[in-house]
Amino acid sequence: AQSVAQPEDQVNVAEGNPLTVKCTYSVSGNPYLFWYVQYPNRGLQFLLKYITGDNLVKGSYGFEAEFNKSQTSFHLKKPSALVSDSALYFCAVRSGYTDKLIFGTGTRLQVFP
Amino acid sequence: DAGITQSPRYKITETGRQVTLMCHQTWSHSYMFWYRQDLGHGLRLIYYSAAADITDKGEVPDGYVVSRSKTENFPLTLESATRSQTSVYFCASSEDRVIGELFFGEGSRLTVL
Repeated sequence: AQSVAQPEDQVNVAEGNPLTVKCTYSVSGNPYLFWYVQYPNRGLQFLLKYITGDNLVKGSYGFEAEFNKSQTSFHLKKPSALVSDSALYFCAVRSGYTDKLIFGTGTRLQVFP
Repeated sequence: DAGITQSPRYKITETGRQVTLMCHQTWSHSYMFWYRQDLGHGLRLIYYSAAADITDKGEVPDGYVVSRSKTENFPLTLESATRSQTSVYFCASSEDRVIGELFFGEGSRLTVL
């Protein structure tokens, strides 16, 4: 069965500092990994995805994520956080054997001025 | 405007009543999904559809019914609402089974009294 874990309910970071939001996964076969962001009272928006190829994936708004197969992780990163990055972030995984995209429980990112 | 729209955005109903949440997309995406979002659980898949007249259960299908007579519409029905179905419901669509990202609607907030 597929599963995704986001071990931190909340991450706090000062504006201008680098940020990391953690995600680990479990799937059978090759993983297809996604990050989404949700602003208050809005639907989720796609940030980036890893399908194959380079382990470092670049996405929207300056975010990037690193796929680590040995650690089964897909952590979201940004070199310099902005207050406007404050939102709820979801990691999701799908295997090649299924149509279902399974989400983690989300991590709230709070960036302080 | 093109996109994915959900209606109603807000609904209050009573236990035992039937409720239908509507979802309409203008992209002609093959895949459509219904998720519910609850604190502490993140997003959980209720039902999904790979094409018109093809639907399948997700993680939490009990108490819900879906149909997909047309590619662009994917209504979700609660046949006899219960308080545990109080939640925010998100519809999403995707053009690809495995590698495509999901495009989400703005959500429908349902309260069952």
